[in-house]
Amino acid sequence: DQQVKQNSPSLSVQEGRISILNCDYTNSMFDYFLWYKKYPAEGPTFLISISSIKDKNEDGRFTVFLNKSAKHLSLHIVPSQPGDSAVYFCAAMPDRGSTLGRLYFGRGTQLTVWP
Amino acid sequence: DVKVTQSSRYLVKRTGEKVFLECVQDMDHENMFWYRQDPGLGLRLIYFSYDVKMKEKGDIPEGYSVSREKKERFSLILESASTNQTSMYLCASSLGTLPGQPQHFGDGTRLSIL
Repeated sequence: DQQVKQNSPSLSVQEGRISILNCDYTNSMFDYFLWYKKYPAEGPTFLISISSIKDKNEDGRFTVFLNKSAKHLSLHIVPSQPGDSAVYFCAAMPDRGSTLGRLYFGRGTQLTVWP
Repeated sequence: DVKVTQSSRYLVKRTGEKVFLECVQDMDHENMFWYRQDPGLGLRLIYFSYDVKMKEKGDIPEGYSVSREKKERFSLILESASTNQTSMYLCASSLGTLPGQPQHFGDGTRLSIL
């Protein structure tokens, strides 16, 4: 059963505009949320994370928003650039019990930024 | 920077062969992970390890085993390769002493079983 869901398999955005990637989760034990970016033929690269005690974390052009009551998070990229074209994975991590350190991944969203 | 190195980028093996995929990390991380990535299915966890000689099953361990004899090295073993194990295999590591630590990935091994 998928505990982390990315319901949009793809997103297409014009260069310079905002990209919004969405993620939903079902497990209330998740305490940390991470976003990864993956180019073809490379491993995923860690992008940004957020703890459940926060509702926003920002790093340059990337901002992650967390709505715990809705079990929803989103990644905003502003402004979008062609180099941002990649698959983006949402991941969640519980902070209790024997699963410390394990990540639960969504299936990914392919972002295409066109000029 | 954390460096996770997977021994092969591409590998072609035959059905029934025993296949070894090797992964080495250079940051003294406690945790190591093996995933496979298939189109439309995202990253699925096969096995992980919190310490030397320790292993735990992930979501899809069937047909696989692992070995962690040294802290920096985590091996994935396909006991008798089958065509449905053709996939991209990704190794990752993370620091195990603090909560919320990100996993760092290698560049993957694309394995084809003929």
